[in-house]
Amino acid sequence: AQSVAQPEDQVNVAEGNPLTVKCTYSVSGNPYLFWYVQYPNRGLQFLLKYITGDNLVKGSYGFEAEFNKSQTSFHLKKPSALVSDSALYFCAVRGATYSGAGSYQLTFGKGTKLSVIP
Amino acid sequence: DSGVTQTPKHLITATGQRVTLRCSPRSGDLSVYWYQQSLDQGLQFLIQYYNGEERAKGNILERFSAQQFPDLHSELNLSSLELGDSALYFCASSVAPEGQGISYEQYFGPGTRLTVT
Repeated sequence: AQSVAQPEDQVNVAEGNPLTVKCTYSVSGNPYLFWYVQYPNRGLQFLLKYITGDNLVKGSYGFEAEFNKSQTSFHLKKPSALVSDSALYFCAVRGATYSGAGSYQLTFGKGTKLSVIP
Repeated sequence: DSGVTQTPKHLITATGQRVTLRCSPRSGDLSVYWYQQSLDQGLQFLIQYYNGEERAKGNILERFSAQQFPDLHSELNLSSLELGDSALYFCASSVAPEGQGISYEQYFGPGTRLTVT
């Protein structure tokens, strides 16, 4: 079974500082990895995904994520945080190849609340 | 705006009742997913349809059912409601289902907040 861990329920960062939201995963075979953001009273919005290729993936709103296969991690980063980045961030994983029922369905972490302090 | 619409936005009902949540996918998207978001369980995949046919099932209770109609809109039916069913229910759509070597972005609707009293 595939799983995602977001070890921090909340991350606080000062505006202008770099931010990191952590994600580790477990999946059979190679992973497809995703980050989504949820603003209050809104649905999830896609930020970026890793399928294959360069371990550093660039996405929307200046976010990027680094895939580390040996550490089974896919941490979300941004060089300079904005107050408007404050939201709930979800990491998700699925397997690249079929390994049983549910293989292709996204499994989400419990989310990390990011607060950017002015 | 993702282009996915969900109605109603809010729903308050009593235990034992039945409700129907509706989702219209983005124009051109054939695949619809239903998710449940609760404080204790997080975001859980319930069920997926593709072009009118059930594609995959997740942690969906037997009291819950869904369907996708010929115009591609989908409905999630929740019956014999319990207090624990109170949650945000999201619908997402993508142009096609996930597959081997293929991944499509899922676009989420704004959700339906269900409160069971």
